[in-house]
Amino acid sequence: AQSVTQLDSQVPVFEEAPVELRCNYSSSVSVYLFWYVQYPNQGLQLLLKYLSGSTLVESINGFEAEFNKSQTSFHLRKPSVHISDTAEYFCAVSVITQGGSEKLVFGKGTKLTVNP
Amino acid sequence: ETGVTQTPRHLVMGMTNKKSLKCEQHLGHNAMYWYKQSAKKPLELMFVYNFKEQTENNSVPSRFSPECPNSSHLFLHLHTLQPEDSALYLCASSQWSGASGYTFGSGTRLTVV
Repeated sequence: AQSVTQLDSQVPVFEEAPVELRCNYSSSVSVYLFWYVQYPNQGLQLLLKYLSGSTLVESINGFEAEFNKSQTSFHLRKPSVHISDTAEYFCAVSVITQGGSEKLVFGKGTKLTVNP
Repeated sequence: ETGVTQTPRHLVMGMTNKKSLKCEQHLGHNAMYWYKQSAKKPLELMFVYNFKEQTENNSVPSRFSPECPNSSHLFLHLHTLQPEDSALYLCASSQWSGASGYTFGSGTRLTVV
């Protein structure tokens, strides 16, 4: 069964520092991979996704993630964070259920706190 | 506003009450989902609907009863809940193929007293 492991539950960093949020997945088949962000008292928002092609994907607000098939990883990075990046980040993998539908399996989330 | 609207945003209910959560999307998506988000637990998929048909029930207790009258609306009917059911309930929608990702609503914060 596919699963997602986010290795860090909390990551505190200072403003303008680089950050990496780690994500590993287990799957025996081709996968779609996603990063979602959740700001306080809100739902999840899609940050970026990997479907196929270039292994490096970028979001509009400076985040990027690299799909590494050999290491089964999809780590999220940003070279310089802002206070406004404080949020919880979820890695997810798309899987096919026994019923034939597609669903997302999420990691436990990583709380990123950016301090001044 | 993401395109997926959930009401109410907050709900406090007693263990003997009956209430319903509502989710609405006008994105043209044909799959809808209920997720439960509790503190210190990963997001738990509860139900999946594709083209109004339920395709997944993730061993959810019968005190949670979903209803999907059409591809744009999804309900979660609640009755005789327990305090441990207090959580954020998130609705999401997607195309049949989830490769486009899900669009989530802002959630309903449920407190069972």
